[in-house]
Amino acid sequence: DAGITQSPRHKVTETGTPVTLRCHQTENHRYMYWYRQDPGHGLRLIHYSYGVKDTDKGEVSDGYSVSRSKTEDFLLTLESATSSQTSVYFCAISLGQGYNEQFFGPGTRLTVL
Amino acid sequence: AQKVTQAQTEISVVEKEDVTLDCVYETRDTTYYLFWYKQPPSGELVFLIRRNSFDEQNEISGRYSWNFQKSTSSFNFTITASQVVDSAVYFCALSEAYSSASKIIFGSGTRLSIRP
Repeated sequence: DAGITQSPRHKVTETGTPVTLRCHQTENHRYMYWYRQDPGHGLRLIHYSYGVKDTDKGEVSDGYSVSRSKTEDFLLTLESATSSQTSVYFCAISLGQGYNEQFFGPGTRLTVL
Repeated sequence: AQKVTQAQTEISVVEKEDVTLDCVYETRDTTYYLFWYKQPPSGELVFLIRRNSFDEQNEISGRYSWNFQKSTSSFNFTITASQVVDSAVYFCALSEAYSSASKIIFGSGTRLSIRP
């Protein structure tokens, strides 16, 4: 158990509203990631973090922003949600360079109406 | 650029049959890691195995085995004597060893259904 929680687990929102998803880890891992999972696409990286206040874009970052003010928390924000952002969002942590495997949180199912 | 291809979108077999899930990868690096993850119907993602590019020995863990062949850039996963509990989506993934922040690229997944 990598001690990763995500909140909320389910959310329904309307187009144009801001949404923030939270990922919390208990083991002070340096690397954290946000993915979205859509049918036929596997998991696609949205943003990642390699330390407090250190973040970078992944392959599908448009429309998303992130923040990491504490080691344990990594927030994903949809500034103005669109229906194309309806997805399941997973947070992950990595043990770091030389290991590379990632461990995932339980996921957040987001529906944008 | 790195890429992972899982050409089998869905596989359905009868319980106790053996089944192999294919994974083909592309990378320019000589040092990399390959992974398999399982996503059961409950939705969580479970790490199954990591293999580094210098270790081509096949691995066996109970009914699960993995065949890594650098010559064909493949990392296939075989389940022997499949069981209904093996029903899940399986993802193959690749990470270049010196990738920025240990990023991983995932294949699109293979949905495996085991019929009783």
